Amino acid sequence: DQQVKQNSPSLSVQEGRISILNCDYTNSMFDYFLWYKKYPAEGPTFLISISSIKDKNEDGRFTVFLNKSAKHLSLHIVPSQPGDSAVYFCAASGTLADGLTFGKGTHLIIQP
Amino acid sequence: NAGVTQTPKFRVLKTGQSMTLLCAQDMNHEYMYWYRQDPGMGLRLIHYSVGEGTTAKGEVPDGYNVSRLKKQNFLLGLESAAPSQTSVYFCASSTTRTGHQPQHFGDGTRLSIL
Repeated sequence: DQQVKQNSPSLSVQEGRISILNCDYTNSMFDYFLWYKKYPAEGPTFLISISSIKDKNEDGRFTVFLNKSAKHLSLHIVPSQPGDSAVYFCAASGTLADGLTFGKGTHLIIQP
Repeated sequence: NAGVTQTPKFRVLKTGQSMTLLCAQDMNHEYMYWYRQDPGMGLRLIHYSVGEGTTAKGEVPDGYNVSRLKKQNFLLGLESAAPSQTSVYFCASSTTRTGHQPQHFGDGTRLSIL
């Protein structure tokens, strides 16, 4: 059973507007959440993360929000730029497990 | 700025053949990981290592073996390749065991088993 879910396979957003990517998780033992960005034929690159003791983390145009009670996190990109077009993976980790558990990814397309 | 380097980038094998994928990192990271990514799927952990000379199973270890003889290298072996192992393989390294420090990924090895 999938422990990290990204229910939107793709998302199309106009340049300059806000992009909101969503992620849900089921495992209560996860205590750290990360977003990775991936371009075709490249490896995932780290974007932003959040600890379970926080509800928001901001880095420039990127903000991640965590709602622990709902087991939900979201990535906000404001304003969206053409270079943001990529696949975004949500990932989670816990202190009792090694490695990361990934969602299936959301393909973000920024339209001019 | 090499970071994590994977070789080869592409490979086509016949069913039953064997091969080894090499991952090398120059960041002196203690922890290394092998993931596979299939179409429409996220990355899934195959095996990992918490230090030189150690290896452990991840979520999908069957059909693979690994070795970490040197701290900077992590090898993934397929003893008898099967079509179900057609995938893109990513290696990653990190300074921590959990996700509290991000993992750094290589650009992947695209493997096709005919």
